[in-house]
Amino acid sequence: EDQVTQSPEALRLQEGESSSLNCSYTVSGLRGLFWYRQDPGKGPEFLFTLYSAGEEKEKERLKATLTKKESFLHITAPKPEDSATYLCAVQTSGGSYIPTFGRGTSLIVHP
Amino acid sequence: GAGVSQTPSNKVTEKGKYVELRCDPISGHTALYWYRQSLGQGPEFLIYFQGTGAADDSGLPNDRFFAVRPEGSVSTLKIQRTERGDSAVYLCASSRDENMAAEAFFGQGTRLTVV
Repeated sequence: EDQVTQSPEALRLQEGESSSLNCSYTVSGLRGLFWYRQDPGKGPEFLFTLYSAGEEKEKERLKATLTKKESFLHITAPKPEDSATYLCAVQTSGGSYIPTFGRGTSLIVHP
Repeated sequence: GAGVSQTPSNKVTEKGKYVELRCDPISGHTALYWYRQSLGQGPEFLIYFQGTGAADDSGLPNDRFFAVRPEGSVSTLKIQRTERGDSAVYLCASSRDENMAAEAFFGQGTRLTVV
């Protein structure tokens, strides 16, 4: 069974304090790994797609990386507006296009 | 509309009652998805439509749950004989086609509370 595990469950940072969120996965074959941002009371918002080990994607203060077993979402010099829950999801090759989501990491950035 | 619209935003119902949740996808999107999200959990897949037909309903928890999309646009998720365990946020998403499922646009969700 496909599994997606995110850590930590919650993370508190001071503004400017860089850190990383982890997403480890166990799948029979990876078609793609996806990161989303979810604000309270809203649906998830797609951020990145990663397809193969070694791939990296960047957007503003966020950088997503992928290895054969896990992905990291690096947040550089975060601001309070980066506070949100970050979700990771995977698609397996040969399977449905529907992604399997992890439980998310709740990030709070204090000013 | 500009985005995926879900109504109502909040719904409180009594145990045993019937509820309908509505989703209006982005115009032109042929694929539509329903997910359920409980507190502290990621979205859990329920069902998706490609056009008017349910392409995959394997995530529906039991036969109290049913969804339709009669004209290939608006979809309704129907829950019969609601139970307290059905309380969750129900999310709808849409994409141009099913290949874009992981990059779908989500609505804000309907928070269902069964008392």
